[in-house]
Amino acid sequence: DGGITQSPKYLFRKEGQNVTLSCEQNLNHDAMYWYRQDPGQGLRLIYYSQIVNDFQKGDIAEGYSVSREKKESFPLTVTSAQKNPTAFYLCASAGTGRSNEQFFGPGTRLTVL
Amino acid sequence: KQEVTQIPAALSVPEGENLVLNCSFTDSAIYNLQWFRQDPGKGLTSLLLIQSSQREQTSGRLNASLDKSSGRSTLYIAASQPGDSATYLCAVRRGSGGSNYKLTFGKGTLLTVNP
Repeated sequence: DGGITQSPKYLFRKEGQNVTLSCEQNLNHDAMYWYRQDPGQGLRLIYYSQIVNDFQKGDIAEGYSVSREKKESFPLTVTSAQKNPTAFYLCASAGTGRSNEQFFGPGTRLTVL
Repeated sequence: KQEVTQIPAALSVPEGENLVLNCSFTDSAIYNLQWFRQDPGKGLTSLLLIQSSQREQTSGRLNASLDKSSGRSTLYIAASQPGDSATYLCAVRRGSGGSNYKLTFGKGTLLTVNP
């Protein structure tokens, strides 16, 4: 089945720790995205990548880092510098054709203890 | 800066009713607009995508319209069912198209369909 997978579904982190969220897609999409969702707010873009080995900061990149070494994978690291990391994190991918329809993974809920 | 607004924030209707969800955007120079559905604790499911050159798109009981000049889109749901209960989000892609693939999202409308 084609789609986007995110792991883990739930993640608990102690303050001061870095954690990495996984995102994998088998849709052969060039573009991948990371969003953060908080209650009462819209989705906010953290980082995005339009091609392997290249990525750009979104609107709220501080305290986060990414890599794009493979087309299928776009992991997100939440560093200890992120002041309020508790949130629901969503990964998405899209083709680079005319429609550029974005498809989303199931999400990872990160809680800082 | 593009801003996307969805009104109402929440809507409750009885089963079988036809309903309309609204989405407005401040910059009419968009490339396309996408409607999504999100169930609690889940990711987003793409429902419909309308290109800037289109006026509407249909999928089953769903019909999305786009009026770019007035900065508005509507999502029409016919004969609503309890299974339609979810949060519906709209998102617009900037008008330059090309290599700019970023979307700007509204905060969503929480729909409850009562049996």
